[in-house]
Amino acid sequence: QKEVEQNSGPLSVPEGAIASLNCTYSDRGSQSFFWYRQYSGKSPELIMSIYSNGDKEDGRFTAQLNKASQYVSLLIRDSQPSDSATYLCAGGGNKLVFGAGTILRVKS
Amino acid sequence: EAQVTQNPRYLITVTGKKLTVTCSQNMNHEYMSWYRQDPGLGLRQIYYSMNVEVTDKGDVPEGYKVSRKEKRNFPLILESPSPNQTSLYFCASRTGWADTQYFGPGTRLTVL
Repeated sequence: QKEVEQNSGPLSVPEGAIASLNCTYSDRGSQSFFWYRQYSGKSPELIMSIYSNGDKEDGRFTAQLNKASQYVSLLIRDSQPSDSATYLCAGGGNKLVFGAGTILRVKS
Repeated sequence: EAQVTQNPRYLITVTGKKLTVTCSQNMNHEYMSWYRQDPGLGLRQIYYSMNVEVTDKGDVPEGYKVSRKEKRNFPLILESPSPNQTSLYFCASRTGWADTQYFGPGTRLTVL
């Protein structure tokens, strides 16, 4: 079964620090990767998408993909209390597989 | 406004009583999916559809049915709900496999 693994956390970082979230996937055929943020009781919302090896930056967020190592990461710079949420990693193609999520807590 | 809608948002029912959760999107998306979310297990895909009349099983399809008769609608049917189907359900849609997936607001289902 195709799997996406994440550390459940919680990951606690002080305000202004860099938060590093990691994800590994088992299906080498996966072509697209996504990071979603989910606040408690709400639906997931897209943070970043990445399709090719390397880094992709969008504001305070940087996604990194390493297909050889089957590894995806998300860096959040200048972390804010409002970034406190569960971050879901997803990968796949026609079928998208989600990890269980990492809880991030940003302490002010 | 581009959106995915689900109804009902909350439902409490009893074992064995058939129910349908509706999902509709107004973005002309090809792909639609149903997920359930349980504590510690993340989002697990129940069924997905790549177009009208094209559906396929996800990771946890047992006890669920879907249909895709129109592009905008993708209802989830529980023929005989059981307590282990108590969960938070999300419908989602996207244009293609590489595109952003938009989620509905969720349906919290309790089966007694």
